Amino acid sequence: GENVEQHPSTLSVQEGDSAVIKCTYSDSASNYFPWYKQELGKRPQLIIDIRSNVGEKKDQRIAVTLNKTAKHFSLHITETQPEDSAVYFCAASSGGSNYKLTFGKGTLLTVNP
Amino acid sequence: GAVVSQHPSRVICKSGTSVKIECRSLDFQATTMFWYRQFPKQSLMLMATSNEGSKATYEQGVEKDKFLINHASLTLSTLTVTSAHPEDSSFYICSATAPGLAGADTQYFGPGTRLTVL
Repeated sequence: GENVEQHPSTLSVQEGDSAVIKCTYSDSASNYFPWYKQELGKRPQLIIDIRSNVGEKKDQRIAVTLNKTAKHFSLHITETQPEDSAVYFCAASSGGSNYKLTFGKGTLLTVNP
Repeated sequence: GAVVSQHPSRVICKSGTSVKIECRSLDFQATTMFWYRQFPKQSLMLMATSNEGSKATYEQGVEKDKFLINHASLTLSTLTVTSAHPEDSSFYICSATAPGLAGADTQYFGPGTRLTVL
């Protein structure tokens, strides 16, 4: 089955700096890679996703890059703000009839004012 | 669009009792719903996948007789934790997918249910 590794487990940055979180996956058939933000006690919220037919996607301060050859994808947050502080999860899916997601272990991002 | 609700948000029960958690898609028909369990400071662990009108598919290591899943309609799935024990205390989250909304593989999550078994 799919295995998703996520690094780092914790990340602390100063407000205004950039943050980068990296994930690798094992199943070359995976073709959908979402990123979720989860605040304490709340539901995971989809912040951006990318499919295997593109290498990069951007939405304002958030971008995701995908390298299918190396089987890794990364989340980039620029101009970080204190409200970006949360746990971020990457995930991968190989599609199929049920589109099951395999999640990474998460990254606790702290943005210091 | 794509709102998923869960009920209850919190439940405290005694050991040995059963607890039912409901997951509803409010503004779309969910062809597939997923149930996850999340322990403190850990990732989401998929428990089972359910499709409307058919039996749920459980992940390895998840006891299907303990965690009963029913997906009776395109907008409702239920998870029943039977004979709950303290080790079942966790955050249970459902999600749903809907072809035609964004992508067929995009999962929309419910707000979660905090279960505490005394």
